[in-house]
Formats: sequence, C-alpha cells, structure tokens
Amino acid sequence: GENVEQHPSTLSVQEGDSAVIKCTYSDSASNYFPWYKQELGKRPQLIIDIRSNVGEKKDQRIAVTLNKTAKHFSLHITETQPEDSAVYFCAAGYSSASKIIFGSGTRLSIRP
Amino acid sequence: DTAVSQTPKYLVTQMGNDKSIKCEQNLGHDTMYWYKQDSKKFLKIMFSYNNKELIINETVPNRFSPKSPDKAHLNLHINSLELGDSAVYFCASSQETAWGEQFFGPGTRLTVL
Repeated sequence: GENVEQHPSTLSVQEGDSAVIKCTYSDSASNYFPWYKQELGKRPQLIIDIRSNVGEKKDQRIAVTLNKTAKHFSLHITETQPEDSAVYFCAAGYSSASKIIFGSGTRLSIRP
Repeated sequence: DTAVSQTPKYLVTQMGNDKSIKCEQNLGHDTMYWYKQDSKKFLKIMFSYNNKELIINETVPNRFSPKSPDKAHLNLHINSLELGDSAVYFCASSQETAWGEQFFGPGTRLTVL
C-alpha cells in the first residue's frame, strides 16, 4: 500500500552546518513531493515542493532532490540557523487515491 | 484574514462525552481535510471532503463523524470519547488533493481525561 518512510527521526547539527533528511515512497505513481515544517506548538507549513518532472529544486538555503528510479527524495538545508529548529515532514502525493501521505517526521535541533 | 481557522483551540473533556470541532477556510478551496497528530507527532489523515462530498475515510472509528455543510466548512463530531482520542486535530484545505499545497488550521488540542 501507500507508504512514506522518513529518516532520521531526530537530527542535531551545529549552527552553520548542513542538514539532510531523507524519504522513500512506495508507489511509483506518486508525482508530487512536498516538505512541511512544523515549529513547536504551531501548524505544519509548506516550505518547498517538487514535482516528478524535476530532479532538483532550490529556494535560498533549502533544496529538495528527487530520484524517481530509486523512489527517494531528500531535503537539504545549508547554513543552518536557530530558527530552522522544528519538525520536518516529507510527503508524497497519490493522485489515484486523491491524498498526500506524510512521513513520520524529523525533529531537527540546531546547536548554537 | 485568517486562511484556515478552527475552534476551539483547546478541548478538555471526560471519557464518554461527545464533542465537536469546527473548521472554516476562506481560501475558496474545494477540498478540506481532518488530520490527527498524536503525541509522537505522526500526522495521519482521517477524512477528506471535496465540494461537500466525502472522498477519503481512513478507517476511522465511526464514533468520528465529519460534516461539511458547504465547501468552506468541515466540522468533526466525536461521540463517546476515549483516552486514545487525545491528540491534536488539524483541519486543512487545498485546491487540489494530491497535487498542491495544503493549508493547515492552528490545531485543536483534545485531552480526554
């Protein structure tokens, strides 16, 4: 069935270093891959998304890469800052089921 | 100018009670959702409505009954509350289902005692 696996579940990096979060999905028909950021006590908010016809997308310090053959996609955050501390969720869109399946989340902590 | 709003923000109640959570969006979106986020932060879809029609029901117990009086509103009624229902419930909306940004409400933290 539809499944999205996300790793790691927790990640601690030094301020200024890079952070990478990885996800795999099960259904090769998935064609939309968003990433959401949820700060403590707040709602999830979209930070970047990628569609299946693109291999990479960047927006300032964040980038997402997609490998459709391997069914992997990753979030890269460079020059991390304290405000990057949050829970990050990957997701995969399943047109056949009219829904998005979320990964289990990664709690990112930025050490000063 | 709030995009997706939910009420109440906090709900504390006894086991066995019935409660409702209301959600409204002013984005003109066709699709609305209810998600449950448990203590481990897993974000799991419960229901999805498109233009007032139920399109997803993720094997949620029938104690949970969503109602969409119009496409801008999606309410969630829960009967006979159980301890395991304690969670944060998020409403969300989107223009497309599996192909576009979902806008989340602020969440309702439900605590069942």
